[in-house]
Amino acid sequence: GQQVMQIPQYQHVQEGEDFTTYCNSSTTLSNIQWYKQRPGGHPVFLIQLVKSGEVKKQKRLTFQFGEAKKNSSLHITATQTTDVGTYFCAGRYSGAGSYQLTFGKGTKLSVIP
Amino acid sequence: AAGVIQSPRHLIKEKRETATLKCYPIPRHDTVYWYQQGPGQDPQFLISFYEKMQSDKGSIPDRFSAQQFSDYHSELNMSSLELGDSALYFCASSLGQGLAGLADTQYFGPGTRLTVL
Repeated sequence: GQQVMQIPQYQHVQEGEDFTTYCNSSTTLSNIQWYKQRPGGHPVFLIQLVKSGEVKKQKRLTFQFGEAKKNSSLHITATQTTDVGTYFCAGRYSGAGSYQLTFGKGTKLSVIP
Repeated sequence: AAGVIQSPRHLIKEKRETATLKCYPIPRHDTVYWYQQGPGQDPQFLISFYEKMQSDKGSIPDRFSAQQFSDYHSELNMSSLELGDSALYFCASSLGQGLAGLADTQYFGPGTRLTVL
C-alpha cells in the first residue's frame, strides 16, 4: 500500500536551535497535511499544502511541498519549549482510497531549555 | 469554537466484550473519519463516512463496524475485543470530502482511550 516515510523519528534540540522534519512518498500526493500532537493530546491540524512547490509560513514554522508533490518538510526556526510534541505529516493520494489520510510515523521533538 | 466530541473518553473492557465509541462532529461537518493510534504509533485510518454512507475503508478489522447517523454523529462498534485493540481511537470530521486535492481539513477529537484487560 501507499506509505509516507518520515524522518527523523526523534529529534532533541537546545532551545533556540532550528528543527526540520521530512516526509517522502514513493508516489505522487494530492496534498499533504501537517499535524502536531502534544503528549497525551490529539493531532492538531497545522497546515495543508496542495500545489507543487508550495511554501507556507506560520510565524516560526515553514512548510514546503516538493515540485514533484512527493516530499514535504516542516522547518521550525529558533525552537521554544512550547514546540515540544510529535509532528506528523499526512498525505492524501488520488484515486481509490483518496479520502483517507496516510500518516507518517511522526517526528518526536524534545526541546532542552 | 465547537470541536469534535468523543465519548466516552476512557473505556475499560475485558477480552471478548463489546464496546461502542461515539463521535459528534463539528456542527455542519458531514464527513467523519475513525483512526486507531497505538502507543508511540501514528494514527491508522480505519473507516470514513460521508453523508451517512461509507466513503473509504482502511485497516478496520472485521470485528469492528461503524455507521453515521442522520444527525451526522458516528458510532464505532467493536466486538470480541482483544488485548491488541487497546489504543487511542480518534474521530475526525471535515466539511465535505470534495475531490482529492481540494481542501477538506480534518479536525480531530480528543480521542477515546480503550483498555482491554
